[in-house]
Amino acid sequence: EIVLTQSPGTLSLSPGERAALSCRASQSVSSSYLAWYQQKPGQAPRLLIYGASSRATGIPDRFSGSGSGTDFTLTISRLEPEDFAVYYCQQYGSSPGYTFGQGTKLEIK
Amino acid sequence: QVQLQESGPGLVKPSGTLSLTCAVSGGSISSSDWWSWVRQPPGKGLEWIGEIYHGGSTNYNPSLKSRVTISVDKSKNQFSLKLRSVTAADTAVYYCARFSSGWPNAFDIWGQGTMVTVSS
Repeated sequence: EIVLTQSPGTLSLSPGERAALSCRASQSVSSSYLAWYQQKPGQAPRLLIYGASSRATGIPDRFSGSGSGTDFTLTISRLEPEDFAVYYCQQYGSSPGYTFGQGTKLEIK
Repeated sequence: QVQLQESGPGLVKPSGTLSLTCAVSGGSISSSDWWSWVRQPPGKGLEWIGEIYHGGSTNYNPSLKSRVTISVDKSKNQFSLKLRSVTAADTAVYYCARFSSGWPNAFDIWGQGTMVTVSS
């Protein structure tokens, strides 16, 4: 089973700052199947990035994804107030099919 | 635009069976996509439960496989989850989601989620 470890667990930043969220896999992951989601309280997750680096429909260009193999990063170039949420990485490729990271909470400093 | 809506009891007794349905609207469940259930215990992260294709093929999380059945009803454009022998550890928000194969190869559509509590 591929385990995804996200760091940091919590990231405290101010609006306008740059955020870098890490997702490390226990084994190599196909970039085609690495995605990032944003979840706000009381809401379902929302797809942000797919294929490690492609933005989903309607996602602002301040969100970007990068990485390959076992190390992936979600970067938010300039934080807006609505960006403070929990972010999950997710992979598909091996048993049990799909796994999610434990999440990074991005909070206002 | 495809939308998903979960429905089912919000309270299930321990050792009972949790049963939920996900209605697909704005599109056909017989598309080339896979349809999943994902759950989230209160204050915790996301756990994939399993998926089904419209033809009936299924894949399950090995940690839950012995207790889970996912089925599809193409005539009603919906799919369902049954989780047997539930305990308090199964208390969670349950989401149905579409994994769009080929593009974008991710869970691009989610239901709003439904809270299920296991308690006597």
